[in-house]
Amino acid sequence: SQKIEQNSEALNIQEGKTATLTCNYTNYSPAYLQWYRQDPGRGPVFLLLIRENEKEKRKERLKVTFDTTLKQSLFHITASQPADSATYLCALDSRMNRDDKIIFGKGTRLHILP
Amino acid sequence: DSGVTQTPKHLITATGQRVTLRCSPRSGDLSVYWYQQSLDQGLQFLIQYYNGEERAKGNILERFSAQQFPDLHSELNLSSLELGDSALYFCASTGGAPDTQYFGPGTRLTVL
Repeated sequence: SQKIEQNSEALNIQEGKTATLTCNYTNYSPAYLQWYRQDPGRGPVFLLLIRENEKEKRKERLKVTFDTTLKQSLFHITASQPADSATYLCALDSRMNRDDKIIFGKGTRLHILP
Repeated sequence: DSGVTQTPKHLITATGQRVTLRCSPRSGDLSVYWYQQSLDQGLQFLIQYYNGEERAKGNILERFSAQQFPDLHSELNLSSLELGDSALYFCASTGGAPDTQYFGPGTRLTVL
């Protein structure tokens, strides 16, 4: 069955450093991958989408890579700030099943330490 | 503000009861997705509607049902509630293509 794994449940990073989060998937070939940010008790907020034919995407201090051979995406936050502390979710389309649903990972809780 | 609204914000009810959660998508969005999020399960896809018709189904229990109305708002009905149904329920909308999803603020359901 399709499976998405985010590298760790929680990650502590010192302020100013680069935070790197990992998303691995198995058993299918998504057409695109997305990253969302979720704060406690609130709905996820879309950050970035990267397509299967793109290697890298950037938005301000955020960078996403997508390696379809390794079946892995890396999400980087450079010059991290305490305000970046949140849970980050990766999500992939379920194109293999020819339906419209998106499958989310369980998320990584990122803590930026001042 | 994503433009997606959900009501109510909080709901407390007893086991065996039935509740209805409501979602209004962003203006112009035809597609509505429902998700359940509990502490140990992450964000679980339940069901999707597109322009009034069911498009995809996920891990939705038979006790749960949903519909999308002609004005595109959607309702999620949960019946014969159990303690384990306590969770945050989110809806999200998209313009049609299953890419960027705009999430509502969620409804927190507590079953006592």
